[in-house]
Amino acid sequence: GAGVSQSPRYKVAKRGQDVALRCDPISGHVSLFWYQQALGQGPEFLTYFQNEAQLDKSGLPSDRFFAERPEGSVSTLKIQRTQQEDSAVYLCASSPQTGDTEAFFGQGTRLTVV
Amino acid sequence: DQQVKQNSPSLSVQEGRISILNCDYTNSMFDYFLWYKKYPAEGPTFLISISSIKDKNEDGRFTVFLNKSAKHLSLHIVPSQPGDSAVYFCAAIHNAGNMLTFGGGTRLMVKP
Repeated sequence: GAGVSQSPRYKVAKRGQDVALRCDPISGHVSLFWYQQALGQGPEFLTYFQNEAQLDKSGLPSDRFFAERPEGSVSTLKIQRTQQEDSAVYLCASSPQTGDTEAFFGQGTRLTVV
Repeated sequence: DQQVKQNSPSLSVQEGRISILNCDYTNSMFDYFLWYKKYPAEGPTFLISISSIKDKNEDGRFTVFLNKSAKHLSLHIVPSQPGDSAVYFCAAIHNAGNMLTFGGGTRLMVKP
């Protein structure tokens, strides 16, 4: 596909469980972003990669959140010991160059922690 | 402290009329502003943008106005169509390529 792909689309986790969310950016895109969108709110920045380098992780809410992009393409957002407040839609976005202003978003993964 | 605010959570407009969505920001370092449109169960899609050195940008039925002194921008859609019904997010960037700061969104409903 030509767009940003995220999997799974939906994930239900029991509190305390670890989860891994995957993002396949548009091929060749240098920049990759993760955002968290709580119900009824706008997306909030989590972390940013330029190729394989994680240049900004200031938005990660706690040390239970970890993201990686080891080969500069696919990225994984991992949440350890999930809590109910982690329930949200997790959006991935990519852009072609580092100086771009327009980001292309995936459909998101809706995480529900029960 | 929300740096980008959309004070109207919803807006209802008749088909064919103008829709005006508003956005306010507090960070004077923002130098680029974007509007994204989001349908249910889909990711946001880019709609239109404006640089801080301009005060207007037009693309078909969509026009974005920027008032830097008031730290205010607006999106005008004219004429509005039922397919425009979606949630609209205002977003801002400082330093190109950096992360987007989003407002809370406005749900637009265009009635036939």
